[in-house]
Amino acid sequence: EVQLVESGGGLVQPGGSLRLSCAASGLTVTNNYMSWVRQAPGKGLEWVSAMFNDGSTYYADSVKGRFTISGHKSKNTLYLDMNSLRHEDTAVYYCASQGRAFDIWGQGTTVGVSS
Amino acid sequence: AIQLTQSPSSLSAVVGDKVTITCRASQAITSVLAWYQQKPGKPPTLLIYDASALETGVPSRFSGSGSGTQFTLTISSLQPEDFATYYCQHFNRHPPLYTFGQGTKLETK
Repeated sequence: EVQLVESGGGLVQPGGSLRLSCAASGLTVTNNYMSWVRQAPGKGLEWVSAMFNDGSTYYADSVKGRFTISGHKSKNTLYLDMNSLRHEDTAVYYCASQGRAFDIWGQGTTVGVSS
Repeated sequence: AIQLTQSPSSLSAVVGDKVTITCRASQAITSVLAWYQQKPGKPPTLLIYDASALETGVPSRFSGSGSGTQFTLTISSLQPEDFATYYCQHFNRHPPLYTFGQGTKLETK
């Protein structure tokens, strides 16, 4: 069974940093199109970042220059390094694997940015 | 950037109703359009991909159609477990960019 498990969320002050992890089983993160998608409280879904199986990376304008996506082949884990966090980054962060579409999702990890 | 606008934003219906949700793109897009269902506190689940292909395991009462700038998700006979929020989503390949609609909340009347 394919499974994605996120971790690393927490409460951080504005300007702070966090690293989110997405541990995969049943698929290899570096061989797939992987994304981070977030959902602010009571709001809709927002794509954040993607890493393709050729190693190329892409970002939403709202996080460009502050967030970095990466993958660790031997740990089979996707990461999202988040710097210069803002109040508006408060959200549940999901990792998702793109096959036909985003067909596999993790359960999410919650990030809160507050002073 | 392409924008996706769903209508309605919310919808009240009863079990057995036929429900249609529309997703309009700000410009003509390929059929790389998907529909998701999300229940409170849970991640989204994929219902439809490539505008009209039913994801494995999804009940056949769900269907998708459309092309160009207008796409629809139809639930032929609403079941109690279908009350949820629905999102459309497009993948633009060049440059890679993912866009979600704002969501449609389907509530019981």
